[in-house]
Amino acid sequence: SSELTQDPGVSVALGQTVTITCRGDSLTGKYGTWYQQRPGQAPLLVIYGQNNRPSGIPDRFSGSTSGTTASLTITAAQAEDEADYYCHSRDNYGQNIFGPGTKVTVL
Amino acid sequence: HLQLQESGPGLVKPSETLSLTCTVSGDSIKNKNYYWGWIRQPPGKGLEWIGSIYYTGTTYENESLKGRVTLSVDTSKNQMSLKLTSVTAADTATYYCARRGTSGISSAYFDFWGQGSLVAVSS
Repeated sequence: SSELTQDPGVSVALGQTVTITCRGDSLTGKYGTWYQQRPGQAPLLVIYGQNNRPSGIPDRFSGSTSGTTASLTITAAQAEDEADYYCHSRDNYGQNIFGPGTKVTVL
Repeated sequence: HLQLQESGPGLVKPSETLSLTCTVSGDSIKNKNYYWGWIRQPPGKGLEWIGSIYYTGTTYENESLKGRVTLSVDTSKNQMSLKLTSVTAADTATYYCARRGTSGISSAYFDFWGQGSLVAVSS
């Protein structure tokens, strides 16, 4: 079965830029989707499609996908961006796959 | 304003069946543009997709859970349901229901989530 891989954790200084990545064969020809999850809360969709943000998501969040790698960039990270971030894709067999998550720490 | 609310027992005994219901308000579960899905998260761990259902009854289930999962939809009540049989401690998790959309054929996303329902499997 397909799987997605993510780095377990990354840190970023307040106001700086951080990019987190997600890799997997199921991303070929697709766009990665990204969710933010703060402790004790349900996941929140932040990026989907080519680089779409739902209403209310700040424009400091952006996404891209190339080949088997999806990336989420947070530009000028804020303290409230500290959270776990999960990537997601759907393979050609209708299976929805989540990455293991990346913990973003804002210093 | 779309809301999803999971409901069901918070404690299930090993080998029994876990049953949860998701009530949708603010949108029709018959909306042709969306599937409706279940995702779970064991304590301290990541997200795992369980399955998705369309209002017509078409379903997709996680291959790793196939045979144990039954998804159903009740359009008259705007609800969907999950049944997971033969549960073990490994099924202890917060269970979320969510609306699943697509952006063309190249992107799937869960855009609205319930608050989650913690289900513990223990005797």
